[in-house]
Order: sequence, then C-alpha cells, then structure tokens
Amino acid sequence: NAGVTQTPKFQVLKTGQSMTLQCAQDMNHEYMSWYRQDPGMGLRLIHYSVGAGITDQGEVPNGYNVSRSTTEDFPLRLLSAAPSQTSVYFCASSWGGSTNYEQYFGPGTRLTVT
Amino acid sequence: AQKVTQAQTEISVVEKEDVTLDCVYETRDTTYYLFWYKQPPSGELVFLIRRNSFDEQNEISGRYSWNFQKSTSSFNFTITASQVVDSAVYFCALSGSGTYKYIFGTGTRLKVLA
Repeated sequence: NAGVTQTPKFQVLKTGQSMTLQCAQDMNHEYMSWYRQDPGMGLRLIHYSVGAGITDQGEVPNGYNVSRSTTEDFPLRLLSAAPSQTSVYFCASSWGGSTNYEQYFGPGTRLTVT
Repeated sequence: AQKVTQAQTEISVVEKEDVTLDCVYETRDTTYYLFWYKQPPSGELVFLIRRNSFDEQNEISGRYSWNFQKSTSSFNFTITASQVVDSAVYFCALSGSGTYKYIFGTGTRLKVLA
C-alpha cells in the first residue's frame, strides 16, 4: 500500500502560470480533500470530494479547480498562479463518503509563486 | 458554525516533563468527531486519535492520553514524560456528522528540550 501520494514535492511557478498538483490513493477511499497550510493558520480546506464525480468547495476555493473522475485520483489545478498561493499543499483521503473517520495525508507539495 | 481553538501557539518543556495541549471546540451537532494529528519537523501529518461525541471515556496509549469533556467542549492531549522525539506541531480537528468538512485548529508547536 502506497497510501496517499502527491507529486511534485516541490514546485516554483511564475505569476500567471498554471499547473496541476497530482494526488492519488490506493486505499479505495471515497472521501478526498485538498488543504493548504500557511504559517499560523493551520490547515485550510480548499476543495473536497465524497466520491467519483462529486466535488465541492471548502473554505478557500478561489483560484483552484478540482475534478474526480476516478476513486483513486483527485488533482488540484491552479488556474493562474499568484504569490498568495505560495503554500504547502496537502492531499488527504478517508474511508467512506463522509468525515466520520480519520484522514490519511500525502507528504505535501511545497509551492512557491514568484 | 464549527470552530476549533488551540490557544497555545508554542510550548517548550524539558525532557521528562508532562505537558498538556489544549483543544476547545464549538459545534451545534449532536454527533461529531474529534481528532488529533502530529506534524513532526519532517512535515508529514500523522493521525493520532479519533473520538466520537458519544464516547467520553478517556484514552491512554503509552505516554499519550486524551481527556474528552463535553461539558467544557474540550479534547485535551497529555504527553507524559515527554521526549525530544515528541517535538512537533500538534493539530486538533473536528467534523460534524453530515458536514463533509474537517475543521482544524491552528496547531500547537511543542518543543521538548534535552
């Protein structure tokens, strides 16, 4: 079991560029989510999905897009990168299509936007 | 609205001291779940414990213990005889049944000095 994997580990973008952060899990978890972690602010939910084909916005969705075509994959797209999106991004998954269970996190992607 | 407050931003203790990390939550749900996660300096997020709102029994796992009190809306975490390896950021999180969102506190950075 690889658990939750994220690529890339590090990324530097210029303002205005777009990119996709990849996330995959091999635990057959229905629930998947994306967070950003900024100093002093904890983890803030960007988008989440309760199953293939179902996504919804979290606390800070602006500037990000998601889709969930399979149970395993949940990519996060930055449409036009801005310096305010410099952060560490974590993908997570949990069993079932709800938040009743603990989440398993990927190793994170450190993104810098210049 | 749901909220998690970790008022202690940073705590420093000397090795072998006991330390308690506070977590206070707010929710109107009668069914909800509470979690603790550890983020060591390497950056990954590690699940520690899950508790549902109907189970107020305290839990002990080795040097770790958790005290859940609905009357004060608190879910505190105690490390007994702390060790340098306990140095990390600890996050408390809350999810309400049917909300599909986990709410994280801002974290407490614990430094255990040798």
